[in-house]
Amino acid sequence: AQSVAQPEDQVNVAEGNPLTVKCTYSVSGNPYLFWYVQYPNRGLQFLLKYITGDNLVKGSYGFEAEFNKSQTSFHLKKPSALVSDSALYFCAVRDPLYNFNKFYFGSGTKLNVKP
Amino acid sequence: DADVTQTPRNRITKTGKRIMLECSQTKGHDRMYWYRQDPGLGLRLIYYSFDVKDINKGEISDGYSVSRQAQAKFSLSLESAIPNQTALYFCATSDPGTSGSSYEQYFGPGTRLTVT
Repeated sequence: AQSVAQPEDQVNVAEGNPLTVKCTYSVSGNPYLFWYVQYPNRGLQFLLKYITGDNLVKGSYGFEAEFNKSQTSFHLKKPSALVSDSALYFCAVRDPLYNFNKFYFGSGTKLNVKP
Repeated sequence: DADVTQTPRNRITKTGKRIMLECSQTKGHDRMYWYRQDPGLGLRLIYYSFDVKDINKGEISDGYSVSRQAQAKFSLSLESAIPNQTALYFCATSDPGTSGSSYEQYFGPGTRLTVT
């Protein structure tokens, strides 16, 4: 079955330190992977995606993510966290072999960046 | 102007009332979706539509209905609202995902619905 897991409900990091938000997935075929960010009282904003090609993808606001097929993971990273990065982050997958028009979301990870 | 808009942004209603949430988009996408967000549960799919004649149930469609009035408009109705339908509701769009398309979803700002 198609699914996305975000094993951490919350991640705490100090400003200036690197951050990682974890995501693992389960799909039938080669996944299309996405990260979104949600600020309070706002909709989800697209950060980055992996479709094919280079396993390291770069996105908005200095974020990047690494696709690891053997570990079925797509962790979100940033070398130096900012207080303004504090938000709720969602990982999502689109399965081209099962139902390409459905997106499967993780439960979200709240990122807290402290000054 | 926002590409995906939702009205109303906030709504408080009473148990048993009928309520409609509306979504409009200017992205020209065929695919439209309705999700609800509850704390700790992420986004759960209610309904999705490929075009005005193709509507599909998601994982939590009970108690909800939808109408695709045009390519750009997709409405969600709660025929008889109940308190456990209190949630944040999002509309989203996407393209078919064929070669050359953007693949990701685009979300509206959300409607916060409270059923008392």
